[in-house]
Amino acid sequence: DIVMTQTPLSLSVTPGQPASISCRSSQSLLHGDGRTYLYWYMQKPGQSPQPLIHEVSNRFSGVSDRFSGSGSGTDFTLKISRVEAEDVGVYYCMQGIHLPPPTFGQGTKLEIK
Amino acid sequence: EVQLLESGGDLVRPGGSLRLSCVASGFTFNNYAMTWVRQAPGKGLEWVSAISGSDGTTYYADSVKGRFTISRDNSKDTLYLQMDSLRAEDTALYYCAKTIDGCCRFDYWGQGTLVTVSS
Repeated sequence: DIVMTQTPLSLSVTPGQPASISCRSSQSLLHGDGRTYLYWYMQKPGQSPQPLIHEVSNRFSGVSDRFSGSGSGTDFTLKISRVEAEDVGVYYCMQGIHLPPPTFGQGTKLEIK
Repeated sequence: EVQLLESGGDLVRPGGSLRLSCVASGFTFNNYAMTWVRQAPGKGLEWVSAISGSDGTTYYADSVKGRFTISRDNSKDTLYLQMDSLRAEDTALYYCAKTIDGCCRFDYWGQGTLVTVSS
């Protein structure tokens, strides 16, 4: 199975400041169809996971433009331009190319200072 | 409005069985694959199983293959997960998720149903 490694595992950010989460896969996520199957999901405390980003950099409908994704191959980044209190939760990257199974990263816990 | 409502979670003894259900509404159910993802207490997310929208092709994680069976009844807009030979390590909150592109774009998630396997 593909291993997804996130760093850091936790971060504490002052409201209004940016945040960045890294995700590295053990194999390239670039498919022969030219698409890269890397996703980001987040889970607020006590809630179900919710979608953020699909295929590296495409925001799901309704997701704030404060969230952006980038990367290629095996290295990817989720950035939050200006952290707000509602962004508190755990962020997961997930690969969807080497199937089954799709595999998630360990999660990165975002807290507010 | 898309809604996914899971049910069927319970406390069960090791070796026992359970069937989870996920009733969908707000979209054309048979047009979409559906996925089960679980989360053990205090842990991260783990993909469990998926089923395609129309032809019913199924996929399983190695950890549940041969013990769990995913199915769907498109006439009832309902997804199922039959869980047999349950183990303590199957204890988790089980989420169903509406799935785009057949695999990994989970655009809607249910609230989850808790399965506890313990003697």
